[in-house]
Amino acid sequence: AQKITQTQPGMFVQEKEAVTLDCTYDTSDPSYGLFWYKQPSSGEMIFLIYQGSYDQQNATEGRYSLNFQKARKSANLVISASQLGDSAMYFCAMRPQGFQGAQKLVFGQGTRLTINP
Amino acid sequence: GAVVSQHPSWVICKSGTSVKIECRSLDFQATTMFWYRQFPKQSLMLMATSNEGSKATYEQGVEKDKFLINHASLTLSTLTVTSAHPEDSSFYICSARNGPSLRGYTFGSGTRLTVV
Repeated sequence: AQKITQTQPGMFVQEKEAVTLDCTYDTSDPSYGLFWYKQPSSGEMIFLIYQGSYDQQNATEGRYSLNFQKARKSANLVISASQLGDSAMYFCAMRPQGFQGAQKLVFGQGTRLTINP
Repeated sequence: GAVVSQHPSWVICKSGTSVKIECRSLDFQATTMFWYRQFPKQSLMLMATSNEGSKATYEQGVEKDKFLINHASLTLSTLTVTSAHPEDSSFYICSARNGPSLRGYTFGSGTRLTVV
């Protein structure tokens, strides 16, 4: 069965510092996708970044980058130059099975990030 | 971009009553809709997957008769919590595949249900 593990329940970072949120995954599918979402207190899920299992390069989206280490099955999110508005819950998610199956997302437990001024 | 409109954003109901939550895709056809439940400070747990015109597929442990899902059109999926009890109080959120791209998922804004 597919599983996503986020081992950091909470992270506290000073504003303008970089922060790395950890995510490891477990799947036997050769084709899968990895996502990071931000969930502020309002509850909406905000898409941050996506990495496909066959992508050769690590994904980047503005201040967000994904440190994808396939052999170690890790997909850590790096936020550069953190801002107060980055304070939120962050979820790592995986879509197994490529184009097959229901393509449902499996979520990790989440990491609550707090940016201190 | 692709938008999923979810209503209501919050609802309070009495025990024993039923509550319907709607998710509409506004500018795309959502052939597949996923319904999640989230307890405070916890992760999103998939409840069921619905495909337009067919019966929903429920995850293990989710009561089909309790959580009725209807996906009658390509733009509308509904979740009805029947005979609600306080333990059904939770945050419910839907998500739709918004195209062939493997990265294409759009989430609704969520519904906070409180059963009193």
